Amino acid sequence: GAVVSQHPSRVICKSGTSVKIECRSLDFQATTMFWYRQFPKQSLMLMATSNEGSKATYEQGVEKDKFLINHASLTLSTLTVTSAHPEDSSFYICSANRPGLDNTDTQYFGPGTRLTVL
Amino acid sequence: QKEVEQDPGPLSVPEGAIVSLNCTYSNSAFQYFMWYRQYSRKGPELLMYTYSSGNKEDGRFTAQVDKSSKYISLFIRDSQPSDSATYLCAMSGRTGTASKLTFGTGTRLQVTL
Repeated sequence: GAVVSQHPSRVICKSGTSVKIECRSLDFQATTMFWYRQFPKQSLMLMATSNEGSKATYEQGVEKDKFLINHASLTLSTLTVTSAHPEDSSFYICSANRPGLDNTDTQYFGPGTRLTVL
Repeated sequence: QKEVEQDPGPLSVPEGAIVSLNCTYSNSAFQYFMWYRQYSRKGPELLMYTYSSGNKEDGRFTAQVDKSSKYISLFIRDSQPSDSATYLCAMSGRTGTASKLTFGTGTRLQVTL
């Protein structure tokens, strides 16, 4: 299967600081990556779609100025949580879209990043 | 009404049992159906991928899609304690680089010795 990595796996920061999370597709090129957040015992909520070389598309209710997304290459997307607050504490997961045969693209997920804002 | 409904469980079964996990959906445009397994504090792992109606088997796992009923299932045969995880169904109406997945809430499965 395809491999997607995330770094860091866990981060604790003070309120008001910014945190950058990296998502990499290790063995395939991904023109599209997705960022999700997941609260305890809840499902994944899509935050934004990250497209290589263009602006990200944000879901309704997600502040684009707070959650900055950069998809600078075909294997790397970054999510920066700016001026983080305790309510931003969550599990952030990225996925990378892998092109397949017969146009059956599949999303592969990273291991997630647990953010705790004190 | 949510687009995708999934019983959150928890579902507890003894080792060796056959497990049936299900999702229903309301959007008839969904054509691509996936099952992901998520262990605690980890990212989801793709288990099965099916297109349109029908069955697909992979080892101990069988995925079924019934588009006429808007109902999908995942069966796990000879369940093992290592199968204990949350199982998420996901679906989309299109493929390609702009496809977005709609997830169920996940069913937490516990396989006991």
